[in-house]
Amino acid sequence: GAVVSQHPSWVICKSGTSVKIECRSLDFQATTMFWYRQFPKQSLMLMATSNEGSKATYEQGVEKDKFLINHASLTLSTLTVTSAHPEDSSFYICSAMYQQGQETQYFGPGTRLLVL
Amino acid sequence: DAKTTQPPSMDCAEGRAANLPCNHSTISGNEYVYWYRQIHSQGPQYIIHGLKNNETNEMASLIITEDRKSSTLILPHATLRDTAVYYCIVRNSGAGSYQLTFGKGTKLSVIP
Repeated sequence: GAVVSQHPSWVICKSGTSVKIECRSLDFQATTMFWYRQFPKQSLMLMATSNEGSKATYEQGVEKDKFLINHASLTLSTLTVTSAHPEDSSFYICSAMYQQGQETQYFGPGTRLLVL
Repeated sequence: DAKTTQPPSMDCAEGRAANLPCNHSTISGNEYVYWYRQIHSQGPQYIIHGLKNNETNEMASLIITEDRKSSTLILPHATLRDTAVYYCIVRNSGAGSYQLTFGKGTKLSVIP
């Protein structure tokens, strides 16, 4: 149990285009999902917290108009990178909260984005 | 949330136990200790968590000192597939306090 998937697993796009990444909890419902970003040889950095049916909460320094998050159902959250630029190239990882006694985050496999 | 300190890297012989230490001397009474690992180019994998008592599951054991200021993750029989970066994270147990702050972790290399 507690499986989280992401799609696509990797994407290459041209500068200026928008890219949508999906995060799904496959065998449980998640009222809260998170989006992280990881640059090479660095640790994960939290970008935003996504709550089903409400607006996402963004971390300081993350542009909410550039990284659009939608959490329309209890099993799906999407991250759209709008007008992507080469500096947005990174490894994007989502996680979902699963009730296991104490709430525990389970992570997706990640999406590697390369903007040319 | 309390900060954690981990050694940057460790080696372990295949088949031996891997003991990964974590210092969290500023931990407060309502904070849990979580361990995750990240194999290269994958998302983090949940391993185990605990509050006060030692915990064991099919992946590992978590030993927390009586004063809760440090803990050790034990992989009883390390395999090559256990090579990864291991993160020790302290997280508040309060409702709404779900965020995880990832440090640099310990890079464990399991050697044949």
